[in-house]
Amino acid sequence: DTAVSQTPKYLVTQMGNDKSIKCEQNLGHDTMYWYKQDSKKFLKIMFSYNNKELIINETVPNRFSPKSPDKAHLNLHINSLELGDSAVYFCASSFRAGGGDEQYFGPGTRLTVT
Amino acid sequence: GNSVTQMEGPVTLSEEAFLTINCTYTATGYPSLFWYVQYPGEGLQLLLKATKADDKGSNKGFEATYRKETTSFHLEKGSVQVSDSAVYFCAVYNQGGKLIFGQGTELSVKP
Repeated sequence: DTAVSQTPKYLVTQMGNDKSIKCEQNLGHDTMYWYKQDSKKFLKIMFSYNNKELIINETVPNRFSPKSPDKAHLNLHINSLELGDSAVYFCASSFRAGGGDEQYFGPGTRLTVT
Repeated sequence: GNSVTQMEGPVTLSEEAFLTINCTYTATGYPSLFWYVQYPGEGLQLLLKATKADDKGSNKGFEATYRKETTSFHLEKGSVQVSDSAVYFCAVYNQGGKLIFGQGTELSVKP
């Protein structure tokens, strides 16, 4: 039974296109996150939602827009894709925000922009 | 703010060798410390954690002790297997509730 799932797993698209990545967690957690992992494996948080409310919004281009329709789902929409957006994007969730809880990660979405 | 620094990789070992991956932290207070593992093509999984100073986290033969005197949380395993080949990340929460990761250490275990 998958805890944190993401779709799609792979996404290949051209510059200038708009794309979305979906994430769902069935752990009953209140908090969800989006991370970007670059080619050197460096992980950086992008956004976090707690019970559908945005609580962390890092310095990310406003072409990236997260949306949380309910606390089990967190989607990431990217407008006007650029070559530099190529990376692996991970969704994660935790029981609560800022409580030092472990985070559970999805399998990742590898985005390639050509 | 809170941060972690871990040793650079890649680290290449023979099967059954002893593993140490160094991680040092800077933190206000004593936040929980974590080791995550990322197997090829997969997401991160929690390997172990320690929630306070002098705690030892352990899982799958891996151990790490939260040492406040040396501000360290080094990962160790007595005898590595080929299946341990992965990227290992040390992590700590900062005061803003963000999980801050080290740069990752790639481990390759040869038969």
